[in-house]
Amino acid sequence: QSVLTQPPSVSAAPGQEVTISCSGSDFNIGNNFVSWYQQLPGTGPKLLIYENYKRPSGIPDRFSGSKSGSSATLGITGLQTGDEADYYCEAWDTSLRAAVFGGGTKLTVL
Amino acid sequence: EVQLVQSGAEVGKPGESLKISCKGSGYTFRYWIGWVRQMSGKGLEWMGFIHPGDSSNPVYNPSFQGQVTLSVDESISTAYLQWTSLRASDTAVYYCVRHIDNRGNSGGRYFDSWGQGTLVTVSS
Repeated sequence: QSVLTQPPSVSAAPGQEVTISCSGSDFNIGNNFVSWYQQLPGTGPKLLIYENYKRPSGIPDRFSGSKSGSSATLGITGLQTGDEADYYCEAWDTSLRAAVFGGGTKLTVL
Repeated sequence: EVQLVQSGAEVGKPGESLKISCKGSGYTFRYWIGWVRQMSGKGLEWMGFIHPGDSSNPVYNPSFQGQVTLSVDESISTAYLQWTSLRASDTAVYYCVRHIDNRGNSGGRYFDSWGQGTLVTVSS
């Protein structure tokens, strides 16, 4: 059981938009920054969003992040088949003294 | 370009020791280096991190404390993850990551670069 809770799967059609939620507590998301990682099939994870909403160089603005209280959300607009991947949220947990991940959400672009 | 290049896949037997590596390039090797485990079909688990400038004080996820050892050789820009006695449950892909710590600038902590992963298989 992961410390951060994500839906196991989401799906949407090409061109549509989707959101992925990540729920935590005051020990992690509530008082620390959230990052999001994309793991394409058969590859290692890649940083998608850091410090709640910032995008690294090269990440298109179709990807966005937000945080409210102890929850965070990843948004993806203009869905493409190449966006099919597993998405993970992550934050530092001050109680566990460890970085913690969500269980991951599998995005299917129908 | 920042790169983390990991050593190749390993097969070991229960009880054996093993050490895998992660070599950094394209940047000054003075960032925290962490390790993340991914068991087959499962999610990501942070194991701990170590700073090349303070290699005697690695930080472990309590869940992994005592199970693995982190080390680093700054002279060759390489970090290591080591087991003294492998178990079948250690079978997984292990990623090294570069930790960014922006707390000094009121920012957060995150993993901005990932190695390609090392598959460790433990089987008798």
